[in-house]
Amino acid sequence: QKEVEQDPGPLSVPEGAIVSLNCTYSNSAFQYFMWYRQYSRKGPELLMYTYSSGNKEDGRFTAQVDKSSKYISLFIRDSQPSDSATYLCAMDLGGGADGLTFGKGTHLIIQP
Amino acid sequence: ETGVTQTPRHLVMGMTNKKSLKCEQHLGHNAMYWYKQSAKKPLELMFVYNFKEQTENNSVPSRFSPECPNSSHLFLHLHTLQPEDSALYLCASSQDPQGAGAPLHFGNGTRLTVT
Repeated sequence: QKEVEQDPGPLSVPEGAIVSLNCTYSNSAFQYFMWYRQYSRKGPELLMYTYSSGNKEDGRFTAQVDKSSKYISLFIRDSQPSDSATYLCAMDLGGGADGLTFGKGTHLIIQP
Repeated sequence: ETGVTQTPRHLVMGMTNKKSLKCEQHLGHNAMYWYKQSAKKPLELMFVYNFKEQTENNSVPSRFSPECPNSSHLFLHLHTLQPEDSALYLCASSQDPQGAGAPLHFGNGTRLTVT
């Protein structure tokens, strides 16, 4: 059983749409949840960082964590062509040496 | 401009070659990492260095050999690689050792092709 499941896509939506990206996980001990954005030919960059359950908003981006369902989401409002990238979810136990556990990433395409 | 710099950006090597990847972080972080990114697979942690001491190797084949001479520099020495080792190799750093919820700062990677 994979620890973190993420639909690889591609997910193609028109400009201006609300985008929902999701990950599910199996290890209930995860405490820190992150979203990274990776443009083509670039390394991943941290987009959102949350601890435990709840919501966090930053501009057009909202991260949600539902620990009871082992489910995290990233919402992008008023999507722009510049949001086209691969989005990676990542999780951390917060107390061991295993490091971050990543999803495979979702390739998002925003059509102008 | 990224605070983590990797060179070279692209590398093509034969299975009998020896090469090295270089990483330098300008963020004053205490931990550095090597990750492997292959198509349709999650990022795989290869090596972790906390305060210059290697703490994890995740059963990486011995044809990959890391070196961390100081807290700002990290190398990955490669020898007798296999075609399946072709991938994007990412270096990352974090303020605190991994396991404390510290986010990672990545370089732009070295695209390695083994022929």
